[in-house]
Formats: sequence, structure tokens, C-alpha cells
Amino acid sequence: GAVVSQHPSRVICKSGTSVKIECRSLDFQATTMFWYRQFPKKSLMLMATSNEGSKATYEQGVEKDKFLINHASLTLSTLTVTSAHPEDSSFYICSAREWGRREVNEQFFGPGTRLTVL
Amino acid sequence: AQTVTQSQPEMSVQEAETVTLSCTYDTSESNYYLFWYKQPPSRQMILVIRQEAYKQQNATENRFSVNFQKAAKSFSLKISDSQLGDTAMYFCAFIVTGNQFYFGTGTSLTVIP
Repeated sequence: GAVVSQHPSRVICKSGTSVKIECRSLDFQATTMFWYRQFPKKSLMLMATSNEGSKATYEQGVEKDKFLINHASLTLSTLTVTSAHPEDSSFYICSAREWGRREVNEQFFGPGTRLTVL
Repeated sequence: AQTVTQSQPEMSVQEAETVTLSCTYDTSESNYYLFWYKQPPSRQMILVIRQEAYKQQNATENRFSVNFQKAAKSFSLKISDSQLGDTAMYFCAFIVTGNQFYFGTGTSLTVIP
């Protein structure tokens, strides 16, 4: 149980285009999903927190107009990188917290999406 | 401010031996949870072990155990009988109730055959 998927696992796009990454909780309802960015051999940096049905909360320094987050349902959150540039190339990981779960601090991580912007 | 420090960027251990990864953290909160996550080359984050700060007893999960020293804000991970599959990046993290994760910078562990 408690599986989180991400799609796509890898994406290569041209500079200036937009890319959408999906994060799905497959067997549970996620009230809250988190989006992280990870550079090579570095730690995870929280980009934003999204709650179902409300606007995402972005961390300081993260451009909300560039990284659009939508949490339209209890099982799906999307991250759209708009007008992508090479410096947006990175590994993006989502995690989800289960609604009603007794261990409220447990989060489940997706397998990540590698974005390469040419 | 909430911070997590892992002072060992890289470590290696012989197969079947024991290794300890260190982690210190700082928070003014009294109620929080501590975690060790493993990230193998596949990049999938895998929960290794979890410790509730209000519990004095150190958590144990098979070959993995922690040494939790709350006063010192220290949370080290001991891996016994190291296996080749333990080769991975290990992240120490903590979470304040209902809030976000704070991750350390990671320790790259290599198990040598």
C-alpha cells in the first residue's frame, strides 16, 4: 500500500516550452502533496506544499508563476514548469501525506522525474 | 530555524561489517519525528527507520537501529551486517507535527565486497 507514482519518469524538452509532471497517490487519498527539487548529489529542496482544493504554498525563492502547482483531486497533483530554461533541469520528486492516516507525519515519495531542458 | 547536519559526505564499509552514520539537528520544537531515508541509484526515496521524539527507546528495524540523544539533538543510524544493497545515499530528516520535512545534505554510503 501507500504507493505514489510520477509521470513522466524522464522528459527532455526545448527551452521555452512548458512541461507538466503528474504525481498520483495510487491507493490512498492525499490531502497534502509536496514538491521537491534535487540537484545531483545534493539534498531535497522543498519547492511547495499543495493542499487539495486550495492554492499551493511556495517556499521562499521559488517562483510561483514559473512552477505552477495544481492539486485538483485527492489523488493527483501536477507541477508545470512554464517557459523552461536549461537551469530548470533537475530531478523533481513529489511526496504525499495520506488523509486520515494515524501516523500523520508519514509521507510517501514518488520515484521522481528527471527534467532536461535543451 | 530548523536545520539538519550530516557531517559525513561519504563513507564506506566492508560487507558484513557495521557502520554508523551521524546526524545532528536543531529545532526549538518539543514534538517532532526523525527519519532516515535511503536513496539508491534508482533515486526512489525509501524510509529506513523512524523515531518519535517523545519516545526514549531507540527505534530498531532489522539490521538498522538508531541512537537517539534528544538532549544532544543527535540521531545516528547504525547499519549492522552491511549488504551490497545498502549502497545508497542516506538522508537524515525531521518533521515537526503537521509540517514539512527538513532534510540533511546526505551521506553517500558504499558497501565494499
